Amino acid sequence: GAGVSQTPSNKVTEKGKYVELRCDPISGHTALYWYRQSLGQGPEFLIYFQGTGAADDSGLPNDRFFAVRPEGSVSTLKIQRTERGDSAVYLCASSLTSGGYQETQYFGPGTRLLVL
Amino acid sequence: SQQGEEDPQALSIQEGENATMNCSYKTSINNLQWYRQNSGRGLVHLILIRSNEREKHSGRLRVTLDTSKKSSSLLITASRAADTASYFCATDETSGSRLTFGEGTQLTVNP
Repeated sequence: GAGVSQTPSNKVTEKGKYVELRCDPISGHTALYWYRQSLGQGPEFLIYFQGTGAADDSGLPNDRFFAVRPEGSVSTLKIQRTERGDSAVYLCASSLTSGGYQETQYFGPGTRLLVL
Repeated sequence: SQQGEEDPQALSIQEGENATMNCSYKTSINNLQWYRQNSGRGLVHLILIRSNEREKHSGRLRVTLDTSKKSSSLLITASRAADTASYFCATDETSGSRLTFGEGTQLTVNP
């Protein structure tokens, strides 16, 4: 079956611009997660949705970052006034539920963002 | 912030040898998961071990968990060149919550 997909694969933008990164989770997965990974580091949590609502957004670094999941499926991570330090691979993951025995998070291929 | 610490940071072995990677963490956990990542892109889930489990096997993989020492190990037996990748452990403190990753072990298996 189809896994988690993310678009675009790569995004190059200029400092100060606005970007949107999209994530399509595995069909039927209610929980969706965003992580950010810098070179040579492990992924760091940004935000997690259960259905349409953000269950935990404590990982968002500042108010330039925002994410939505209006219909409980596709999610968009939005970054305003991008800075060079935002350059990283942005990873999306989904899981069947946010509890019980289906907590395995399945990751997409990521979007590599480069801010010039 | 990173909770887990993988050890070693890098490991180079010959095909056919076993590879052991260790992970330590700081807080109490619900689950511990191991992932593999090739070339800095998507992570592939390998195995999940629950806090009340001590050992788990999946094919050539063996994972142990010692909650008293807050540590886990991943053993890959009879390694292959295709096992070359970065390996990360990740923990969650409550069911289905955020994962906290370590910085990973870069494994190189030489043919």
